[in-house]
Amino acid sequence: EVQLVESGGGVVRPGGSLRLSCAASGFTFDDYGMSWVRQAPGKGLEWVSGINWNGGSTGYADSVKGRFTISRDNAKNSLYLQMNSLRAEDTALYHCARRSREVAAYAFDIWGQGTMVTVSS
Amino acid sequence: DIQMTQSPSSLSASVGDRVTITCRASQGISNYLAWYQQKPGKVPKLLIYAASTLQSGVPSRFSGSGSGTDFTLTISSLQPEDVATYYCQKYNSALLFTFGPGTKVDIK
Repeated sequence: EVQLVESGGGVVRPGGSLRLSCAASGFTFDDYGMSWVRQAPGKGLEWVSGINWNGGSTGYADSVKGRFTISRDNAKNSLYLQMNSLRAEDTALYHCARRSREVAAYAFDIWGQGTMVTVSS
Repeated sequence: DIQMTQSPSSLSASVGDRVTITCRASQGISNYLAWYQQKPGKVPKLLIYAASTLQSGVPSRFSGSGSGTDFTLTISSLQPEDVATYYCQKYNSALLFTFGPGTKVDIK
């Protein structure tokens, strides 16, 4: 079964750091680009960051640029998001998502259930 | 930055109705447009990619169209299980993606 399982969320004070992990299974992880997408409580989806298959290219939303770092370890079938200088507005459910390999499909076909990050003093 | 808008922000329709949701980009994005369905408490599900290609396993009552700046998602005959929020998503380039604000669909 194709699966993405996130971990590492929790409660952190403003200015603090967290590292999220996403464990992939059921598919050849290093064949796919990956992203992190977040959803604040009661709000819409916000793309956060993406990485290509080998980690050679990355992208970030303006809201997190300079504070978050995406990485991957293909040997461990894992995706990571290092989050520094956290703010209250970073409070959200963080999903990892697999980018589809269908031709011209710049979209996400598999999503994890998410890990909750709460930034509060 | 290319901005995405969706209209309406919410709608209520009867079972069997044809429902159309619009997504508009502030600049042309070719066909780099996808649609997702998110039911309450669930993760998003990919419905359409490349503006009009139906994702495998998605019912044929869903369809997408458009290119450039204006795109539509159509549900040909609304079903009770289609109650959800629908998001468009564009691909900018260089691994940059943006979601639209969402359209909430309810049954009247």
